Amino acid sequence: GESVGLHLPTLSVQEGDNSIINCAYSNSASDYFIWYKQESGKGPQFIIDIRSNMDKRQGQRVTVLLNKTVKHLSLQIAATQPGDSAVYFCAEIPSGNTPLVFGKGTRLSVIA
Amino acid sequence: EAGVAQSPRYKIIEKRQSVAFWCNPISGHATLYWYQQILGQGPKLLIQFQNNGVVDDSQLPKDRFSAERLKGVDSTLKIQPAKLEDSAVYLCASSPTTRQGGYTFGSGTRLTVV
Repeated sequence: GESVGLHLPTLSVQEGDNSIINCAYSNSASDYFIWYKQESGKGPQFIIDIRSNMDKRQGQRVTVLLNKTVKHLSLQIAATQPGDSAVYFCAEIPSGNTPLVFGKGTRLSVIA
Repeated sequence: EAGVAQSPRYKIIEKRQSVAFWCNPISGHATLYWYQQILGQGPKLLIQFQNNGVVDDSQLPKDRFSAERLKGVDSTLKIQPAKLEDSAVYLCASSPTTRQGGYTFGSGTRLTVV
């Protein structure tokens, strides 16, 4: 089976609220994680990444948290906007030069 | 910088027919990937190229799928013969190195097999 998965398939949030999208991974050897955003009809778009030697990384309105103890990854989006509506995937590099492995995705809907 | 180009954007074929997809990666990107994304699922790797050599094709259904990357630049993915379950979006991505996780994806080719 896939080693990366998500807890919720859908998430609805009010415009202006913060969003939290969760992801669980099973491969403790994975050392690199990425969050992607995919809008309808488009390919996945890189949002933010984090390496396993970090617990937290911040970007513009986005923060990724990594908890290696429980193998959990989360994406926080501050002040969610209608343009944030999309499917969000976490992805991992299990080891070495292996390619990215994607989870199933969470659909974020922003209610205006 | 120009993105990853893919064509066609859409393709509808009957089962047992053949189809080919084309990808032009970002200039200078050594690594190229083909992913299959079935509706409602995350992308699944089909094949990975490093320059014009295959690095990983363990998940490519070789009885019907083939891919090549001539001269280490453009790539084509072919399906022959197609099955109904091949209906999906085929995504091409490229990155500067194999350890560069920030792949740049194309918009994909949506294949419908009827």
